[in-house]
Amino acid sequence: GAVVSQHPSWVICKSGTSVKIECRSLDFQATTMFWYRQFPKQSLMLMATSNEGSKATYEQGVEKDKFLINHASLTLSTLTVTSAHPEDSSFYICSARTRWNTGELFFGEGSRLTVL
Amino acid sequence: AQTVTQSQPEMSVQEAETVTLSCTYDTSESDYYLFWYKQPPSRQMILVIRQEAYKQQNATENRFSVNFQKAAKSFSLKISDSQLGDAAMYFCAYRPPNTGNQFYFGTGTSLTVIP
Repeated sequence: GAVVSQHPSWVICKSGTSVKIECRSLDFQATTMFWYRQFPKQSLMLMATSNEGSKATYEQGVEKDKFLINHASLTLSTLTVTSAHPEDSSFYICSARTRWNTGELFFGEGSRLTVL
Repeated sequence: AQTVTQSQPEMSVQEAETVTLSCTYDTSESDYYLFWYKQPPSRQMILVIRQEAYKQQNATENRFSVNFQKAAKSFSLKISDSQLGDAAMYFCAYRPPNTGNQFYFGTGTSLTVIP
């Protein structure tokens, strides 16, 4: 099956600093990746769609200058939380679709961000 | 707008017994995909089962099966012979046709398996 890996799995940072989370498709090429945010005991909220070689598409209410997304290659997308604040603390999950259209999404392990 | 509703925030089942998780959705489309994902404590989402709306036959994957009622827009998940490893959050998801991208997730059902 398709494997998506995220790194780091958890990160603690000071308020005002920036944090980068990587999402890699290990055994397939992903032209599109998706970034979700999940609050405790809640569902996944789509933040943005990351397209290889072009700008990400952000969902309404998501600050694109706060959450920078780069999809520089067919196997790597990055999410950078800039000038992080405690309210940015959350669980961030990436996912990707394979080229062959089986319909489902494959998810990374998720990254727990804690901003002090 | 598409919405997915899971009306059971928490469910519990005795080990080896059967449990059914409910999911309803709202759509005006006739062709779409439905999924059940499992999120164990390790937090990685894992696909449990998928259903294409054009298929009348209910999908089955080993101990997991669905009851897909298209007219009622209902998509329940049945877990048979429940095992301790089935304990997790279960999310129902809807994917519209042809968009390629947008998934709509329900709010999840937390399943506890009692030994």
